[in-house]
Amino acid sequence: DADVTQTPRNRITKTGKRIMLECSQTKGHDRMYWYRQDPGLGLRLIYYSFDVKDINKGEISDGYSVSRQAQAKFSLSLESAIPNQTALYFCATSDPASYEQYFGPGTRLTVT
Amino acid sequence: GIQVEQSPPDLILQEGANSTLRCNFSDSVNNLQWFHQNPWGQLINLFYIPSGTKQNGRLSATTVATERYSLLYISSSQTTDSGVYFCAVTSMDSSYKLIFGSGTRLLVRP
Repeated sequence: DADVTQTPRNRITKTGKRIMLECSQTKGHDRMYWYRQDPGLGLRLIYYSFDVKDINKGEISDGYSVSRQAQAKFSLSLESAIPNQTALYFCATSDPASYEQYFGPGTRLTVT
Repeated sequence: GIQVEQSPPDLILQEGANSTLRCNFSDSVNNLQWFHQNPWGQLINLFYIPSGTKQNGRLSATTVATERYSLLYISSSQTTDSGVYFCAVTSMDSSYKLIFGSGTRLLVRP
């Protein structure tokens, strides 16, 4: 089984709808991240969490919120989706001892 | 903040050819990773290599931290190597945040 899983894998939604993307990990890492990738570009950090009670904004957090329900679960919400949030979303985890990050398979989100 | 530059931006190879991809970074790093993004969008970890040299099958990577660059070597390329290769780093003062380069888009023709 994959160490980092994301659901759903694909989602089409309408402008103004609330949507939640979920991430679970079995690596036992405290640190979790949400990134966004736009076509032809690298990934950019939306939010990160060092443990259940520590959540921080990344470089592009406007329009997003997160919830760290447990060490293994980190959810990303779009409160009112807009078309320019159409992108590929990745969850990641890391071990603070090595800084290496491990990515989930991604969620392709389309906002119409 | 730290800048990451990858070259070349695009590369077309005939199957069986070798290639070298380069990643330059503007400041000291405590993490450098190479990823392959396949045509389905999945990010595959290739190497975690903040310094030194590693090999995994037909792929190898070298990071010279003192000179702020890393190289990814692909030997005997296959069509399944096609996709985008990303270099990503974390800097000493922001070790939580991976900064990605813009990638090298590789097409391997049969």
